Amino acid sequence: DTEVTQTPKHLVMGMTNKKSLKCEQHMGHRAMYWYKQKAKKPPELMFVYSYEKLSINESVPSRFSPECPNSSLLNLHLHALQPEDSALYLCASSPGQGKYGQPQHFGDGTRLSIL
Amino acid sequence: DQQVKQNSPSLSVQEGRISILNCDYTNSMFDYFLWYKKYPAEGPTFLISISSIKDKNEDGRFTVFLNKSAKHLSLHIVPSQPGDSAVYFCAASDGGSEKLVFGKGTKLTVNP
Repeated sequence: DTEVTQTPKHLVMGMTNKKSLKCEQHMGHRAMYWYKQKAKKPPELMFVYSYEKLSINESVPSRFSPECPNSSLLNLHLHALQPEDSALYLCASSPGQGKYGQPQHFGDGTRLSIL
Repeated sequence: DQQVKQNSPSLSVQEGRISILNCDYTNSMFDYFLWYKKYPAEGPTFLISISSIKDKNEDGRFTVFLNKSAKHLSLHIVPSQPGDSAVYFCAASDGGSEKLVFGKGTKLTVNP
C-alpha cells in the first residue's frame, strides 16, 4: 500500500469544468510535489511545496493552481483545461529540504481525461 | 536537453539471470541518484539510491553502481524474477535539491 494517497483515481472533465485533485501523506514529510506523466514518458515536475510554501513552479500554465492547506495535504485545482492536459497526475512527498539523500515517495496518481 | 538518459527502451531476460539497466547523465552537478520501478496503473516505487561519495550500493537482489568519471550508473538485479517486470526509471538531483530529473525509462520483461 502506498503511503501517499491520491483522490480521485480517475477523473473525466470537460474543458469548462472546475475540479480538484487531492493528495495526502502522514509520514511527517515537509516537501510535497505535483508531477505530470504522459504515456511512455517520464514524470515531469510541475510544482514543489516546501514547508507549505510554493518553492518551485516549473512554468506551469495558470489553469493549474496548487494549494497546500497544511503539511499533510496538497491540492491541485483545475480550470479550463485543454485536451492535451490529459495525463496521469502524480503526487509525491519527501522529508524536505536539508534532509539530503531522502527519496521522494509517490502516490498512485489520478488519471485525468479532458473531453 | 535530456540530462538523464536511458538509451534502452526495453530489456528482456530469463528468470534467474542478471538484469542490467543502464543510465547516463550529463549534468556534473548531480550528486544523488535513484532508481524507481513502475507497474502499470501505479505510481513509481522507490527501489534504491546512491550518493556521489559512493560507487556501489546494495539492497538484497538490487545493486546500483556509479561511475562518476563516465557519468554512468547501472542497476543490477540478481536473480531476476517475473515480478520484476516493470518500467524502471533512473533519476538524479543535485545538492539536496528537491528537483528530480528522470530518464525516459526502460521496460524490463523477465520471462519464466
